[in-house]
Amino acid sequence: SQKIEQNSEALNIQEGKTATLTCNYTNYSPAYLQWYRQDPGRGPVFLLLIRENEKEKRKERLKVTFDTTLKQSLFHITASQPADSATYLCALAGNNNDMRFGAGTRLTVKP
Amino acid sequence: DSGVTQTPKHLITATGQRVTLRCSPRSGDLSVYWYQQSLDQGLQFLIQYYNGEERAKGNILERFSAQQFPDLHSELNLSSLELGDSALYFCASSVWGGISGNTIYFGEGSWLTVV
Repeated sequence: SQKIEQNSEALNIQEGKTATLTCNYTNYSPAYLQWYRQDPGRGPVFLLLIRENEKEKRKERLKVTFDTTLKQSLFHITASQPADSATYLCALAGNNNDMRFGAGTRLTVKP
Repeated sequence: DSGVTQTPKHLITATGQRVTLRCSPRSGDLSVYWYQQSLDQGLQFLIQYYNGEERAKGNILERFSAQQFPDLHSELNLSSLELGDSALYFCASSVWGGISGNTIYFGEGSWLTVV
């Protein structure tokens, strides 16, 4: 069956450090992968999309990598700030382009 | 503000009852998705509609049903409610992006509490 696994339920880091979150998937052949941010009680908000033919994508302090051989995406937040504290979700398109999400990693950035 | 509107924001109802959640997608978006998020589970995909037709089905119970109307708004009907149905229900919408990517925009959710 198709699975999306985000390895860490929670990640605590110190302000200014780089946060690295992992997303692994099985039984998908995704054309693209997305990352979303979710704050408590709010809807997820789109951050970045990376296509299967792209190795890396950047947006300000965010960087995403996509390795279709390893079936893995890494999401990095550099120079992290307490305001980056949230749950980060990776998402893959299913066979009908329906979007399915991993369980998320709760990031806490301590001042 | 994502442009996706969900009503009601909060709803408390008794077991066995039926409720309807409503969603208005972003202007121009043809695809609507419903997700369920409970405290002990992540975002669970329920169902997707595209331009009025069911496109994909996820872990949606038989007690639940949905539809998308000609004006593209969507409703999620939950019947014979059980305590375990208490959750945050999200609607999301997107333009059918195909291989170019399909970013999803979420509403703020409808909190359902079954007592």
